Amino acid sequence: DQQVKQNSPSLSVQEGRISILNCDYTNSMFDYFLWYKKYPAEGPTFLISISSIKDKNEDGRFTVFLNKSAKHLSLHIVPSQPGDSAVYFCAASDMGGSRLTFGEGTQLTVNP
Amino acid sequence: NAGVTQTPKFQVLKTGQSMTLQCAQDMNHNSMYWYRQDPGMGLRLIYYSASEGTTDKGEVPNGYNVSRLNKREFSLRLESAAPSQTSVYFCASKMGRGRNIQYFGAGTRLSVL
Repeated sequence: DQQVKQNSPSLSVQEGRISILNCDYTNSMFDYFLWYKKYPAEGPTFLISISSIKDKNEDGRFTVFLNKSAKHLSLHIVPSQPGDSAVYFCAASDMGGSRLTFGEGTQLTVNP
Repeated sequence: NAGVTQTPKFQVLKTGQSMTLQCAQDMNHNSMYWYRQDPGMGLRLIYYSASEGTTDKGEVPNGYNVSRLNKREFSLRLESAAPSQTSVYFCASKMGRGRNIQYFGAGTRLSVL
């Protein structure tokens, strides 16, 4: 039972354009959501998060949107840069939980 | 500031061999985790330790054992390696309370022949 799903294994965008990465979840107990970025041969690094009391959180070029009714979150990167090329994982946890549930990941490629 | 350190970075084993993957964190975190990453399957939790002295099974614990040696160190042992355990293994840690943001090591790439 895949509780967090990233349906797009890959995404390719042009430098300067917007990248939109999507994530869906099924567990209504999840109330904290995160995006991680992973370069080859490195560990995942935390990028941005959002709690269920908000519907948007911004950090520079990165914005995460949460639609609780649709159980859907998205990560927007504007403008996209070649250095953003990486695998992006979304993850979720429930209130007070110490575990994260990860999606399958989306490989983003930003072309110069 | 090293963060989360994993050793070794690479390992090749023969089926049936045993080995221990080491993980240490210097952030004074209470909770530590072991994940495996396989193509198209994201990160799956093997075992975790919410605090020193406790360990719990994750999503895919079969074939593995763990030891929380002290607050800093959390090891993962494969007693009899199988080809299905070929994967990249990541250790992570987080503060015991507050936001559930985990910090990851660089990974151990393991091949079982």
